[in-house]
Amino acid sequence: AQSVSQHNHHVILSEAASLELGCNYSYGGTVNLFWYVQYPGQHLQLLLKYFSGDPLVKGIKGFEAEFIKSKFSFNLRKPSVQWSDTAEYFCAVSLSGGYQKVTFGIGTKLQVIP
Amino acid sequence: DGGITQSPKYLFRKEGQNVTLSCEQNLNHDAMYWYRQDPGQGLRLIYYSQIVNDFQKGDIAEGYSVSREKKESFPLTVTSAQKNPTAFYLCASSSPGTDYYNEQFFGPGTRLTVL
Repeated sequence: AQSVSQHNHHVILSEAASLELGCNYSYGGTVNLFWYVQYPGQHLQLLLKYFSGDPLVKGIKGFEAEFIKSKFSFNLRKPSVQWSDTAEYFCAVSLSGGYQKVTFGIGTKLQVIP
Repeated sequence: DGGITQSPKYLFRKEGQNVTLSCEQNLNHDAMYWYRQDPGQGLRLIYYSQIVNDFQKGDIAEGYSVSREKKESFPLTVTSAQKNPTAFYLCASSSPGTDYYNEQFFGPGTRLTVL
């Protein structure tokens, strides 16, 4: 069965620390990859996405993610977090081509301490 | 502004009552989805609809029903058969026929509490 694993369920960082959130998936075939963010009291929004091309994807607010096909991974990174990055982050994966079900990870809650 | 609206934001119901959650979008998207979000479980797909008058069950459809009579609207009914209905419900949409079919756009959600 297709699945998505997020390794860290709750992460606490100080401002200016570097961030890396892990995401691994088990899918056979070409995939589309997403990171969504849910800020407190706000709706889920897309942070970045990978469909094809350069495996290093840059998103909004200084986030980036790298697709490593051999490791079935799509880790999210940010070199220096801010208090405003406090949110819950979801990795999501689908097969590519037409409509495909999107499977979400269980989410990682990031708390940034000023 | 284009987007997805869900109403109400908070909803309280007594056990045994059916309740309908509203979802409207003006993004001109053909596909719409309902998810349930529970702490520690991420998002789980309840139902989805790729076109008007057609919909399919997701992973956890038992105790839920939907309709898709208009492109803009995809209401979800939580029936009394749903054993654990208290949750945060998210509606989403996407645009088939583009390269980014599976990029989904989300509404603000409805938090349902069954007393």
